Amino acid sequence: DAGITQSPRHKVTETGTPVTLRCHQTENHRYMYWYRQDPGHGLRLIHYSYGVKDTDKGEVSDGYSVSRSKTEDFLLTLESATSSQTSVYFCAISESGSAGITYEQYFGPGTRLTVT
Amino acid sequence: KQEVTQIPAALSVPEGENLVLNCSFTDSAIYNLQWFRQDPGKGLTSLLLIQSSQREQTSGRLNASLDKSSGRSTLYIAASQPGDSATYLCAVFTSGTYKYIFGTGTRLKVLA
Repeated sequence: DAGITQSPRHKVTETGTPVTLRCHQTENHRYMYWYRQDPGHGLRLIHYSYGVKDTDKGEVSDGYSVSRSKTEDFLLTLESATSSQTSVYFCAISESGSAGITYEQYFGPGTRLTVT
Repeated sequence: KQEVTQIPAALSVPEGENLVLNCSFTDSAIYNLQWFRQDPGKGLTSLLLIQSSQREQTSGRLNASLDKSSGRSTLYIAASQPGDSATYLCAVFTSGTYKYIFGTGTRLKVLA
């Protein structure tokens, strides 16, 4: 299994508070992604990174910010949590494979966030 | 804008049956397509990745095919087992982006 950890694994927070989720990888992969998964919507991309300090928005980026100061860590911050951000958050990584550029994705175990 | 659809949303089959899961996409300019499995409350596990130049990939009882021109991929599961019960998702990596777009998945239940 790819070395990807997410912390915390579960969190309950109150509306209006800032929350930071951490994704840590030991694979030295270049690309990192944050998704949220909700019933009826599937997996939706929030933000992604294509290198240290290089990030871009996904399809549901409003209310979220990210930072990547080193290859192994990708942080997702909910600036002021709302109930609509209650979800399961997944981090993923990808890189070229031995057969060339494949961008095959590997996922972390997820963080279940509840905003009350 | 790339859109990915998986039909059916749910499927129940008896053990031992061969089955096909479908994935369709609207923009044929893809770099690759990846199939995942997700068990309840768990993360996603990569099953197969097909690059745009390939027509199919096989791993054990799983075979994935890709037809870029028609915007379709299928995941074939041979001799299904109760342990195959899970949600199966496909994701498309569109050329010129660094992003995957996911389908909403097919929830499979294999009955013993």
